[in-house]
Amino acid sequence: DIVLTQTPLSLPVTPGEPASISCRSSQSLLHSVDGYTYLDWYLQKPGQSPQLLIYALSYRASGVSDRFSVSGSGTDFTLKISRVEAEDVGVYYCMQRVEFPLTFGGGTRVEIK
Amino acid sequence: VKLVESGGDVVQPGGSLRLSCAASGFTFGSFALTWVRQAPGKGLEWVSTITATGDTTHYADSVKGRFTISRDNIRHTLSLQMNSLRAADTARYYCAKADYYDSGSYQYWGQGTLVAVSS
Repeated sequence: DIVLTQTPLSLPVTPGEPASISCRSSQSLLHSVDGYTYLDWYLQKPGQSPQLLIYALSYRASGVSDRFSVSGSGTDFTLKISRVEAEDVGVYYCMQRVEFPLTFGGGTRVEIK
Repeated sequence: VKLVESGGDVVQPGGSLRLSCAASGFTFGSFALTWVRQAPGKGLEWVSTITATGDTTHYADSVKGRFTISRDNIRHTLSLQMNSLRAADTARYYCAKADYYDSGSYQYWGQGTLVAVSS
């Protein structure tokens, strides 16, 4: 199974400042046939269901702010928030879907300082 | 798009439960569907996926042989039959709609239904 390791576990942030979350995969998430990298990012706000932020490495889901972006390739990825806002608090998860079983990272809790 | 889970309950170890997810707002028979669970205070865990036509299913090792995913493309319902339940199965269970007929990212999620396995 593909293991996704997220760091840090917890990230206190100051509003207006940037923030980064790392997601490392035990195997490449690059699909050998179609060339897409099947890594998605989800945010679970307190008391809510997960919501899709980024899919296939770098595509923002509908309605997602352009403050969110992803860099990286292969096995190392970074979700970046250019300027954190209060509404960004919650737990961020990366998820791979290049193969079954689908697997999630352990999550990174973002909180306001 | 709307996904509404139901069927969660308190059940004894070794017992059975059937979860349902009623879907609306999209062409139900064209998209894969997935169950994801979240134990109290823990992260997200993928449980099972079924393709649009129901001909292919995938399971996490932790539930293989005990859980069965199915769908009714007439009634627009996704189900999860859970047998031989264990304390470790205690979680909120979410259904989610995939982007494609066999997999994809998950833009739409239900609110979840709670399963508690306890004596």
